[in-house]
Amino acid sequence: DAKTTQPPSMDCAEGRAANLPCNHSTISGNEYVYWYRQIHSQGPQYIIHGLKNNETNEMASLIITEDRKSSTLILPHATLRDTAVYYCIGRSNAGNNRKLIWGLGTSLAVNP
Amino acid sequence: DAGITQSPRHKVTETGTPVTLRCHQTENHRYMYWYRQDPGHGLRLIHYSYGVKDTDKGEVSDGYSVSRSKTEDFLLTLESATSSQTSVYFCAISNNPSYEQYFGPGTRLTVT
Repeated sequence: DAKTTQPPSMDCAEGRAANLPCNHSTISGNEYVYWYRQIHSQGPQYIIHGLKNNETNEMASLIITEDRKSSTLILPHATLRDTAVYYCIGRSNAGNNRKLIWGLGTSLAVNP
Repeated sequence: DAGITQSPRHKVTETGTPVTLRCHQTENHRYMYWYRQDPGHGLRLIHYSYGVKDTDKGEVSDGYSVSRSKTEDFLLTLESATSSQTSVYFCAISNNPSYEQYFGPGTRLTVT
């Protein structure tokens, strides 16, 4: 699984877009990028994942660079409830890969 | 939200006593996982199950055992609790090891 690097913390104003970067320069061709978040004291919550195309769902958008060495999670209109730790995880969807390698993530603070 | 419950939600126990944590799901997912989360560490996989009576070790399995006698329940047992096992424990489920995981609310365990 690819090692991922994220800034430890970020701030964002309520109502603005939050752009959370992730570097995964060692990602291999069949490794997806997954994003989860963890709101204080709760279990992690799946957000979105992608391989090489940009993805969008009701929670967020995921922009992956053409060389796949980095990606950005975008929360288009951040709210106070989006304050959480955001984890970027690389994993393979080939074979029987059962392990997610969790880093320390980015602590996002959405300010009023 | 996926139907995952964990019990108990909080527990304080003494060193040397056995402790069992329960994860219960109503989603009929085949795969179930136990993680622990500690300050300064990402989530770390303890054990996982890929079917009834089928389990395997994760990266921090020493001192823990698991059992899965039916699809909906995955038990984590600390045979003789130690202070180093003070942690927050999360259960997760997935339909496929390559798919996203859904997490329970967590159990906060304190070993004194």
